[in-house]
Amino acid sequence: DADVTQTPRNRITKTGKRIMLECSQTKGHDRMYWYRQDPGLGLRLIYYSFDVKDINKGEISDGYSVSRQAQAKFSLSLESAIPNQTALYFCATSDPGRTGEYGYTFGSGTRLTVV
Amino acid sequence: DAKTTQPTSMDCAEGRAANLPCNHSTISGNEYVYWYRQIHSQGPQYIIHGLKNNETNEMASLIITEDRKSSTLILPHATLRDTAVYYCIVRVADDYKLSFGAGTTVTVRA
Repeated sequence: DADVTQTPRNRITKTGKRIMLECSQTKGHDRMYWYRQDPGLGLRLIYYSFDVKDINKGEISDGYSVSRQAQAKFSLSLESAIPNQTALYFCATSDPGRTGEYGYTFGSGTRLTVV
Repeated sequence: DAKTTQPTSMDCAEGRAANLPCNHSTISGNEYVYWYRQIHSQGPQYIIHGLKNNETNEMASLIITEDRKSSTLILPHATLRDTAVYYCIVRVADDYKLSFGAGTTVTVRA
């Protein structure tokens, strides 16, 4: 099983609908992240969480919300989806206990299309 | 974070070494150089990192210039499976955030 699992892998939704992307991890890491990638661009940070009681906005949080249900689970919601939120979404975890490499692990991604 | 500059794309012959350059002229003394790669829309994968010494692991080698203003990632024997976008990132070791640019698209040809 993958260390970081994202569901669904692909989703098509209509404008205005609420949608939730889910992420679970077996790494035992405290820190979890949601990134967004648009075609031909690098990843941009949406939200991050350092532990269950901690939620922080990233550089592009408008239109998104998150929930950290447990150490292993971090969900991203689009309250009212719009077409420019069509993108590839990645969940990631990291471990500050590891010097240098910092233990960043990414999920396989969720491809979201808003029509 | 210091910014990095990478070529947009490069080709490499299968079995040959691939040398990927990265400029980071404004890097600070406590910032590491990291390399990640992303294979066809999969999640990014850590490759290697270094501070000032050259580093080698089972995937690649990292050569950092003495002034630390640039570095080169070396894939010693490129295979078709190494075709990916390669990202050079500089950051302090305990920084939570990875700042991705556009990276270098590497195409390994048979």
